[in-house]
Amino acid sequence: EAGVTQSPTHLIKTRGQQATLRCSPISGHTSVYWYQQALGLGLQFLLWYDEGEERNRGNFPPRFSGRQFPNYSSELNVNALELEDSALYLCASSLGSQGMETEAFFGQGTRLTVV
Amino acid sequence: AQRVTQPEKLLSVFKGAPVELKCNYSYSGSPELFWYVQYSRQRLQLLLRHISRESIKGFTADLNKGETSFHLKKPFAQEEDSAMYYCALVGTSYGKLTFGQGTILTVHP
Repeated sequence: EAGVTQSPTHLIKTRGQQATLRCSPISGHTSVYWYQQALGLGLQFLLWYDEGEERNRGNFPPRFSGRQFPNYSSELNVNALELEDSALYLCASSLGSQGMETEAFFGQGTRLTVV
Repeated sequence: AQRVTQPEKLLSVFKGAPVELKCNYSYSGSPELFWYVQYSRQRLQLLLRHISRESIKGFTADLNKGETSFHLKKPFAQEEDSAMYYCALVGTSYGKLTFGQGTILTVHP
């Protein structure tokens, strides 16, 4: 069974541009989570989607947004990119709407570099 | 607010020595606590969760509500235990994992 897949693996953007990151959860998982792992800052929660709706949001500005599609895959959009947005973005999925109380499975991440 | 603190950024031990990775949390309710591990060039994965009371790869962790701690222990470290370890908490009203900063464990031969 395929795990959580993220694309692209690497992404280089210029300051001010927009970035779109994609995530496909494990088959049968309805919840998708996004985390930012910036150097020295650990894993910071960004967004949680379940059944197509945003359930929770971390302490990030509105230019970080996303959505979940009917097939439960998800997109993370970052507008007006800033240099400090350079980070590894991790996607995770889990079963049902209990959030991460059930085991979360992580993707390999998308490395976003803003120049 | 929920917070997880891992006071040690780096921890080095020799093979066969006991190892303890510290984790303290703050949360007003009853949290669920986890340890996640990331081996070199692999994705982040669940090691164990307190609710299951399992021993995985020889690791155990006991939830101490009085001290608000969830330290990860192993009596005899192995070289293959070298990895980044994250302690994480789910507050039942939030549904998301809050991670600590992580501890890099290095087990020397």
